[in-house]
Order: sequence, then C-alpha cells, then structure tokens
Amino acid sequence: EADIYQTPRYLVIGTGKKITLECSQTMGHDKMYWYQQDPGMELHLIHYSYGVNSTEKGDLSSESTVSRIRTEHFPLTLESARPSHTSQYLCASRGAGGSLPSYNEQFFGPGTRLTVL
Amino acid sequence: QKEVEQNSGPLSVPEGAIASLNCTYSDRGSQSFFWYRQYSGKSPELIMSIYSNGDKEDGRFTAQLNKASQYVSLLIRDSQPSDSATYLCAVIAAGNKLTFGGGTRVLVKP
Repeated sequence: EADIYQTPRYLVIGTGKKITLECSQTMGHDKMYWYQQDPGMELHLIHYSYGVNSTEKGDLSSESTVSRIRTEHFPLTLESARPSHTSQYLCASRGAGGSLPSYNEQFFGPGTRLTVL
Repeated sequence: QKEVEQNSGPLSVPEGAIASLNCTYSDRGSQSFFWYRQYSGKSPELIMSIYSNGDKEDGRFTAQLNKASQYVSLLIRDSQPSDSATYLCAVIAAGNKLTFGGGTRVLVKP
C-alpha cells in the first residue's frame, strides 16, 4: 500500500486567495510529481522534483510553484487563485530505481479537488 | 506521434467476458511498463507492472509485453461491473522519464 498523503482533499476558495496544497510521502522516494487533471481528461504533469532543492516545471505550463526542502514533503502553492485553476491536483512519488525494477513504481496520493469561485 | 498511445474508448464489455486493452509506445529503449486503474473522481492505482517480454498474470489481470512490436496489453478476465474505470498505460523510457497514455475507458455491462 502506498504511503502518500495529500491535504486538503477538497478546497473551495475565492478568487485572489493564496493556497498551498500539501503532499507528503513516507516511502523515502526521491522523485515526486504534481499532476493536474480535469474530469474525463488526461493527466498533465505540472511540476516534478528529483530530490531536495531540485524542482522543475512539467509539460503543462502552470502558474503554481513548488518547493522541496525535505525529501518527504512537496507542497504546491498558488499565490492568487483564479477560476481557471479549478481542477484536481494529484501528487505522486517514485523510487530511484536500483537492483529491483519495482523500485521504479510510481504511486499516487488521493488528490485534492480545488474549486475557485 | 505521442510517446504512449491508447485507444480512448469506451470499450464496452459484457459482464463475464474478457476485456482487452492495448498500448503502444515510441521509445524502443523503454524498459518498464505499468497499468493503472482510475475510477471516476479518484486517483490512479497501480495494478500491474511488467518488465520482460511475455505474459504476467495477477488474479484476473494479465499484462502482455512485446518489445519488438513496442506494445503492451492488459487483459481483464471475467470482467465485473466494478472493473468499469479508465485504464492508464505508463512507460519508463530512456532518461528514466515516466510517461502516461491518455487512458482507455472501460464499461462493463451487467
């Protein structure tokens, strides 16, 4: 069972508010990811990190920012939320690879459903 | 050409039948292949991993990998209404990048 957590699970907020979506994992994975997914649509990678103090933008441009100060924690921040940010945000983590290919398996958190009014 | 391609469906399957899902990938150097199940409104759940050519069975699921033809498939035997979901194929290519396909929506009808 994957040990990756996201809070809050649901968030309804007004335009212009600053929000932080939390993601934590207890598997010691070095790789962490944020995806954005609208209902019935594909996953879009918006940010990733390969370790502490390493963050990169993903394939889909996003106004959000991320930080990775601790291995287990990868929060996503929106400085000023807009209705266009309404979506589901999924955090995931993956191991570094190694002697067993299963170390490359990626696991997802339960997601945060964000609604910006 | 997308790196990982799947038919979006929906794939409609009678209860008790076999559902067959296909996925093709473009990077011939890909080494690791995964199938995820995603229920509506939920996050993807890893159900199968396969790394070598051939078949891998786990319960009612069988993953099949053919690296020469660059495709990976998932068979769901004795399909149940609870198998109705979107199934995502994911591939780790050179550079250790994990790429997802767009998903195939499966509907199992009682």
